Amino acid sequence: GAVVSQHPSRVICKSGTSVKIECRSLDFQATTMFWYRQFPKQSLMLMATSNEGSKATYEQGVEKDKFLINHASLTLSTLTVTSAHPEDSSFYICSASRLAGGDTQYFGPGTRLTVL
Amino acid sequence: KQEVTQIPAALSVPEGENLVLNCSFTDSAIYNLQWFRQDPGKGLTSLLLIQSSQREQTSGRLNASLDKSSGRSTLYIAASQPGDSATYLCAPGGSGTYKYIFGTGTRLKVLA
Repeated sequence: GAVVSQHPSRVICKSGTSVKIECRSLDFQATTMFWYRQFPKQSLMLMATSNEGSKATYEQGVEKDKFLINHASLTLSTLTVTSAHPEDSSFYICSASRLAGGDTQYFGPGTRLTVL
Repeated sequence: KQEVTQIPAALSVPEGENLVLNCSFTDSAIYNLQWFRQDPGKGLTSLLLIQSSQREQTSGRLNASLDKSSGRSTLYIAASQPGDSATYLCAPGGSGTYKYIFGTGTRLKVLA
């Protein structure tokens, strides 16, 4: 149990376009989902925390208008990278937890975004 | 602000050795700590989760300990195998915020 999927696993897009990444909890309801990004050979950095039905809380330095997060249901959160640029190329990973806090986070397999 | 450091940054050992990976964190107000494995270009695989009230957890050849008051955790890998080659990440979860802050990772290579 506690499986999290991400779609797509890999995406290549042109500079200036928007890209949507989906994060789904397949066999449980996720009250809270987290979005991370990872640059090559670096560790994961938390971007934002989203609770179902509420606005996402962004970490310092993360542009909320650039990275739009929607958590409209208990099994789906989406991250939209708007007007993507080459510096947005990264590995994006989501995680999900059943409770609003204090619960184990289950991680998705990640999405590799390359912006040309 | 929580800062997490992992030592060593990289490690190359012959097969069969017992290994210790170290993780230190600056804010001891955590509710748990997880160790993850990440293969190149892949997502995370959770290895062990230690609650803040626990001292250690074991799974197969892996044993993780936690000393919350001193801000330290260690991951012990017994009888290492080439399949253990990966990057190992530790992540303490903040008490109250429930956010995971990731360490810089230890890149392990086990030689056959």
